[in-house]
This record gives sequence, structure tokens and C-alpha cells, in this order.
Amino acid sequence: GAVVSQHPSRVICKSGTSVKIECRSLDFQATTMFWYRQFPKQSLMLMATSNEGSKATYEQGVEKDKFLINHASLTLSTLTVTSAHPEDSSFYICSARGLTTDEQFFGPGTRLTVL
Amino acid sequence: AQSVTQPDIHITVSEGASLELRCNYSYGATPYLFWYVQSPGQGLQLLLKYFSGDTLVQGIKGFEAEFKRSQSSFNLRKPSVHWSDAAEYFCAVGRDSWGKLQFGAGTQVVVTP
Repeated sequence: GAVVSQHPSRVICKSGTSVKIECRSLDFQATTMFWYRQFPKQSLMLMATSNEGSKATYEQGVEKDKFLINHASLTLSTLTVTSAHPEDSSFYICSARGLTTDEQFFGPGTRLTVL
Repeated sequence: AQSVTQPDIHITVSEGASLELRCNYSYGATPYLFWYVQSPGQGLQLLLKYFSGDTLVQGIKGFEAEFKRSQSSFNLRKPSVHWSDAAEYFCAVGRDSWGKLQFGAGTQVVVTP
């Protein structure tokens, strides 16, 4: 099946710094990528949808200036958490949907801890 | 408003016993329904999906789910669980066939010997 990777798998940063998370589709071209946030023992909450070459669409309540999403190629989307604060600590998951495969494939997630 | 409810946060089941995970949804139109499994260190994996047609859906790993429109439910079942089925299970509703997904809170399944 199609594989989606995320890097890094874990990151710890200081409050006020920015962190970039990469999401790659390894063996297919992803026209659409989704970013989710998952709090401990809770569900995945959709943050934004990104289509290659266009601006991301953010869900209500998600700060677009804090969570910058770039989908510059058909295999890579990045999420940058700007000026991170402890409340941004969470598990961030991406998923990708391809040109030839309608199914949405999920990455393994990135654990962000902001000190 | 669209919502997905998984009433059971945690279920413990003996290996070899049957398993049923509940999912109820609230959605105005005909829903697209999914079940995913999440294991530590791995991405969510699609177990099965329902778009239309036969209301009993067969999935991978021996799982099946039944769509019941009258009860707004899409419960997941497995006749005989294996220790490897221990994981977090999520029900999800899609706004279209493969677009934005709304997830339930998840059910943690523990399998005992």
C-alpha cells in the first residue's frame, strides 16, 4: 500500500521557537494533504487541508498564522508551528490523498513537546 | 451539526472472544463511513469503508461493519479477536468519499490472554 512518512517523529523545542514538520508521500503523488492534531486520549481534529500549489484551507478556530502549511510539491507538505507555546504540544498527523488512489493514507505522526 | 460518537472509551476482551465497537453518527446527508485502527508508532490504517450498497461491509484483518440507517450506526465487529488486535479504533464520517474526515473519540481495545 501507499506509504506516508513524517519527520521528525518526535521533537522537543523551547517556547517561542518555530518547528517544521514534514509529511511525504513516498510512492504516490498526493494532490491533497490533510493535517490533524490529536490530544492524548482524544480524537483527531482536522486542522487544515492543503492542495498542491495552492493555499491551505484552515478549519474554523485554527490560527493560520500560527500553523503555516506549505504544499509545494506532489510529494511534500510541511507544517510549521510558529512561536510555539506549551499549549501547542500535541501529536500532529498528516494524511495524503493521491491522483490515482482516492484512499487517504496516514503518516505515523509527530509528537511535539514545547517546554 | 455533523458528529461522530463512540460510546465506549475502553473495551477489554479475551483473546478468541468476539468484539463489537459501537459508532453512531449525526449527519444530514448520506454519510461516508470509515473505521480506522491506530497502533503505536504506525499511521492510521483503514479497516473498511461504506459509501453505498450492501450495508454489511467486509474489511481487512477479519473485521466487518454494518450500516444501519434507522439507528444511525456503523458498528464494527470481529468474531474472534487476536492479541494483535489490541489498538485504538476510530470511526470517521466523511463529507465526501475521500475528503475531510470527522473522527470519533476512539475506542481503546485491550486483549487479554
